[in-house]
Amino acid sequence: NAGVTQTPKFQVLKTGQSMTLQCAQDMNHNSMYWYRQDPGMGLRLIYYSASEGTTDKGEVPNGYNVSRLNKREFSLRLESAAPSQTSVYFCATCRREGQDTQYFGPGTRLTVL
Amino acid sequence: AQKVTQAQTEISVVEKEDVTLDCVYETRDTTYYLFWYKQPPSGELVFLIRRNSFDEQNEISGRYSWNFQKSTSSFNFTITASQVVDSAVYFCALSEAYNAGGTSYGKLTFGQGTILTVHP
Repeated sequence: NAGVTQTPKFQVLKTGQSMTLQCAQDMNHNSMYWYRQDPGMGLRLIYYSASEGTTDKGEVPNGYNVSRLNKREFSLRLESAAPSQTSVYFCATCRREGQDTQYFGPGTRLTVL
Repeated sequence: AQKVTQAQTEISVVEKEDVTLDCVYETRDTTYYLFWYKQPPSGELVFLIRRNSFDEQNEISGRYSWNFQKSTSSFNFTITASQVVDSAVYFCALSEAYNAGGTSYGKLTFGQGTILTVHP
């Protein structure tokens, strides 16, 4: 089992370009999350999906959109990338939100020039 | 609102020394969960431990031990006889079981992380 996979691993964008970060899990978990990690700030929640068909904003949602395509996949889209979105993005999954451990993907390192 | 504070930004030790990483949290919930994650230089986040708010027993796993004290809202992590492979960023995190609206939320609030460097 791969657990949680993310693509791509690295990406460089120019300001204004768009892209989608992909996340897939084979753990049969209900909840999925997108975080960003910036130096000295820990991880901050961007969006989450408690179950298939539902999504909700986290702490820092501005400039992002998400799609919970099915139980396995949860994508994060940047419509018009900005330098402030340079970060490392992590996807996580959890069997039952609020109680169980969140397991993280390997991360995507995004640079916006 | 929940908050996690890891006051130690960086710690440097020599191999075989014991080291304790501090974590202090704030929450208004009576039911919550505390976690520690390790982020080695390769960048992935590795789960270490999960503890619920009703279980104050300390836990030991090999060279790792955790001390949970509700009275001081602390969940500290000790590495005994540290090794170079322990060099990493360590994050403490808090999850409230339910948000203010009474529905399950599950948001993980992370501390800023402690960079641990173990020198040979």
